[in-house]
Amino acid sequence: EVQLVQSGAEVKKPGESLKISCKGSGYSFSNYWIGWVRQMPGKGLEWMGIIYPGDSDTRYSPSFHGQVTISADKSISTAYLQWSSLKASDTAIYYCARSRIVEASDQPFDYWGQGTLVTVSS
Amino acid sequence: DIQMTQSPSSLSASVGDRVTITCRASQGISNYLAWYQQKPGKVPKLLIYAASTLQSGVPSRFSGSGSGTDFTLTISSLQPEDVATYYCQKYNSAPRTFGQGTKVEV
Repeated sequence: EVQLVQSGAEVKKPGESLKISCKGSGYSFSNYWIGWVRQMPGKGLEWMGIIYPGDSDTRYSPSFHGQVTISADKSISTAYLQWSSLKASDTAIYYCARSRIVEASDQPFDYWGQGTLVTVSS
Repeated sequence: DIQMTQSPSSLSASVGDRVTITCRASQGISNYLAWYQQKPGKVPKLLIYAASTLQSGVPSRFSGSGSGTDFTLTISSLQPEDVATYYCQKYNSAPRTFGQGTKVEV
């Protein structure tokens, strides 16, 4: 069974750093692109970027490029999303999700993690 | 970047009604279009990909059509469990933008 299990909710202060994780199981983690999607409170879905764990090839949305870092460790089947300096506007649910077809980046997301709520408040 | 615009933003319909949601791309995207359903407090779920291919396990009352810039999601007979927000997404190239969503109420 394909599963993406994300790390737990976080409460941080503005300016702090954070790294959240997404662990895949039940499939060949290295060979499927993994993406990150933001959902701010009461708002829609925003595509942040994707990574291919096999070689760490990464693509970012212009809206998020330079604001976050996407990485992966294929040895432990885990993808990451990190911030070096959080802002209140980063408060959101962050989802990881897997591309539908092996090795293909031009695919929708067929499996999703449960989401990680990040709250940034002073 | 290509923009994805959905209409309407919200709709209310009765059980059994036929419901249609549209999604327009600002440039042609061939059939690289997916539809997702997100029920309140839940994780998004892939319904349709390649504009018209039903994802495994999705009820047949859902269908998609279109190519190029104009796409539609149709629910042939609305059910109470279809209360959700529906998003289109283009995925041919980065950024793989989502539409702003259409909230469906019964």
